[in-house]
Amino acid sequence: DAGVIQSPRHEVTEMGQEVTLRCKPISGHDYLFWYRQTMMRGLELLIYFNNNVPIDDSGMPEDRFSAKMPNASFSTLKIQPSEPRDSAVYFCASSSQDNRHGYTFGSGTRLTVV
Amino acid sequence: GESVGLHLPTLSVQEGDNSIINCAYSNSASDYFIWYKQESGKGPQFIIDIRSNMDKRQGQRVTVLLNKTVKHLSLQIAATQPGDSAVYFCAERNKAAGNKLTFGGGTRVLVKP
Repeated sequence: DAGVIQSPRHEVTEMGQEVTLRCKPISGHDYLFWYRQTMMRGLELLIYFNNNVPIDDSGMPEDRFSAKMPNASFSTLKIQPSEPRDSAVYFCASSSQDNRHGYTFGSGTRLTVV
Repeated sequence: GESVGLHLPTLSVQEGDNSIINCAYSNSASDYFIWYKQESGKGPQFIIDIRSNMDKRQGQRVTVLLNKTVKHLSLQIAATQPGDSAVYFCAERNKAAGNKLTFGGGTRVLVKP
């Protein structure tokens, strides 16, 4: 398995633009998580899905952020409109029901909003 | 398990020595714990996990110790190598509250040759 795949690896955008981050979880994993990492706040959970259904979105900063999981092999995190304070590394992770081998993270998307 | 990203504590270790990284977690109901290693420009990488019904688990060159009485978790790395230089995070989960991980602030390990 190629692991959790995220795209793009890097994204630079102007304030006010829409940004879409993509994630392909490991095949067969039931859970998908979106995390954000910054120097100030460390790793924060934004939202997670179980069997494509959002379970907990209490970490989503505000209405500018939205996430979808239309099927078991794909999820998106969208920011519209983007702001400079959204600059961070965004990680996607997936896990099986029994958490065997923990939660596997992707390589992340480094987002810079100028 | 509150994330604090402002300042990372650093552990400097001589190559070949053993390393001990500590983590205090906040939720006495947490039932599962993981240690992750994160190298620059990469995502967190699973090292070892432990469930709350255990107090010790060993892997290859790594040992995790869990003390539920004082809510403390530690990671021991034997014979530390230059490739062990990274930031190490502990993470906890309370299954009853949902299948989500809460991360600690991390510790930077620097291995001196």
